[in-house]
Amino acid sequence: SQQGEEDPQALSIQEGENATMNCSYKTSINNLQWYRQNSGRGLVHLILIRSNEREKHSGRLRVTLDTSKKSSSLLITASRAADTASYFCATDDNAGNMLTFGGGTRLMVKP
Amino acid sequence: KAGVTQTPRYLIKTRGQQVTLSCSPISGHRSVSWYQQTPGQGLQFLFEYFSETQRNKGNFPGRFSGRQFSNSRSEMNVSTLELGDSALYLCASVGTSRPDTQYFGPGTRLTVL
Repeated sequence: SQQGEEDPQALSIQEGENATMNCSYKTSINNLQWYRQNSGRGLVHLILIRSNEREKHSGRLRVTLDTSKKSSSLLITASRAADTASYFCATDDNAGNMLTFGGGTRLMVKP
Repeated sequence: KAGVTQTPRYLIKTRGQQVTLSCSPISGHRSVSWYQQTPGQGLQFLFEYFSETQRNKGNFPGRFSGRQFSNSRSEMNVSTLELGDSALYLCASVGTSRPDTQYFGPGTRLTVL
């Protein structure tokens, strides 16, 4: 079963704009990760934030985590057409390498 | 380093048949996890193997099984295929240098007719 929901399910923006995706989860976690998937292919790891961290940056990516609200957000700044993909959050509850994924956000960036 | 490889990439089977999918992890990685991705259920964890032992198992029927070999390569088997088993099957490997990061293969697209 999925850990939680991602919001929005789909997002369409123009190149250069920022994209924000939100993820909610249900149980306590060890860390939360974001992955990207292009057209039904494999998942690419983007960024990991641990339960004791509140914000993390990597290039044009910014992730926040609010454990009190059991939610996270992923911000992609200055988006590019190449950012068009599905984005998934995944939680790790420290039970081994067993990730629980959200439903994903389909992002379309128009040139 | 070569990435995670999965074979075959595409597979078509009929109901009632069985299928075996293969996953070769990144060299040096000893943990391999399998996931099923469908439009209806999303990404769901199947099982994880570490050093030839199943360490975690998701909520799937016994028709889904797996194993890991001494070289860390893993196979998963689905017996008595059902239409609902049509999915993208992804495997991921984890190494010791970044134990929290899973590296995914391109997946095997299974279609059951």
